[in-house]
Amino acid sequence: IAGITQAPTSQILAAGRRMTLRCTQDMRHNAMYWYRQDLGLGLRLIHYSNTAGTTGKGEVPDGYSVSRANTDDFPLTLASAVPSQTSVYFCASSDGLAGGPDTQYFGPGTRLTVL
Amino acid sequence: GQNIDQPTEMTATEGAIVQINCTYQTSGFNGLFWYQQHAGEAPTFLSYNVLDGLEEKGRFSSFLSRSKGYSYLLLKELQMKDSASYLCAVMDSNYQLIWGAGTKLIIKP
Repeated sequence: IAGITQAPTSQILAAGRRMTLRCTQDMRHNAMYWYRQDLGLGLRLIHYSNTAGTTGKGEVPDGYSVSRANTDDFPLTLASAVPSQTSVYFCASSDGLAGGPDTQYFGPGTRLTVL
Repeated sequence: GQNIDQPTEMTATEGAIVQINCTYQTSGFNGLFWYQQHAGEAPTFLSYNVLDGLEEKGRFSSFLSRSKGYSYLLLKELQMKDSASYLCAVMDSNYQLIWGAGTKLIIKP
């Protein structure tokens, strides 16, 4: 069982380019999340999806978009990258069921540098 | 606003005990999580508290006081592999996790 995979592992991108970060989970979790992690700051939620076909905005959604066409995949797209989007991006998933802790499990991350 | 506070860095000695504190102010409370994150890796789940009191799991324990907006993670019999960042996160009224910046724990032999 792989859990959550992310691709690419790392990427250097020119400002203004479009980029899609991929995330796939095999745990049949309902909920998925995208975070960015910057030095000295806590993880910040970009977008989330409570179930396939639905998405929502997190704390820092500007400049990012997501889609959730099926249960397993949750890609994050930067339409026109800017240097402030240089960060480590983590995808996470949880079962999204009421009554439990709804623990989030994380992918290995994508390190993105925008020049 | 919502806020999670934890020390930036702590140092401890191999074999000793260390307590990492976390205080929070959030809109609603649906549980508190502790995660461990080694450098360059993903956060991994350690513990979850939703009721007041102590949860023990091997060498790690986590305590919660909801009235004080306070939690701590206690690590016993420290090992070199415990060198990592420890992240405190609170699930708010919208069931979203609010994260602290993390405490970097340095273990010295």
